[in-house]
Amino acid sequence: GEDVEQSLFLSVREGDSSVINCTYTDSSSTYLYWYKQEPGAGLQLLTYIFSNMDMKQDQRLTVLLNKKDKHLSLRIADTQTGDSAIYFCAETLKGGTGKLIFGQGTTLQVKP
Amino acid sequence: NAGVMQNPRHLVRRRGQEARLRCSPMKGHSHVYWYRQLPEEGLKFMVYLQKENIIDESGMPKERFSAEFPKEGPSILRIQQVVRGDSAAYFCASSPQDGGVEAFFGQGTRLTVV
Repeated sequence: GEDVEQSLFLSVREGDSSVINCTYTDSSSTYLYWYKQEPGAGLQLLTYIFSNMDMKQDQRLTVLLNKKDKHLSLRIADTQTGDSAIYFCAETLKGGTGKLIFGQGTTLQVKP
Repeated sequence: NAGVMQNPRHLVRRRGQEARLRCSPMKGHSHVYWYRQLPEEGLKFMVYLQKENIIDESGMPKERFSAEFPKEGPSILRIQQVVRGDSAAYFCASSPQDGGVEAFFGQGTRLTVV
């Protein structure tokens, strides 16, 4: 079935690295995404990775994909207070209509 | 190039009334997705539309909910006879092609049923 799971909460200190984890069940994922949602706002696409890639780096963001374990992670280097938000992992499926299947979101709290 | 525009941003309806939520996709985008976010939860897919066609409505409740994307004008998500459980944030996303890699989200409409 289609299921995406995330831990609900992560707290880090400013300047530390944050690692947000996600697991998914469907092996026919095509793309995996990370979205950021600030309070009262819409979703901002941070980055995405094609399912045949292992890693993608974009400035402070590093995405790691372990297809064997169906595990996706987002690492934020030098975390800032402005990174405090809810982070959603999502996938699209092969042969699908492009709809996104979301995890329940991880709240990242960055302490000064 | 304006982003995805949703209106209203906030909508309050009494139980039994109708709610109409509007979504104007990004310029050049002909594919629209609607998602619902219940409090403290992730987003759940509701419906996928192209101009004048409903492509996938597998996430739509069977009753009271309908969606359209006419040839001219915005996409509309309509909820008839609203109940308290319909209170949620409703997000629209648009993409330029079927299975497009990036979907761009609007700011959402926050519906409160009193």
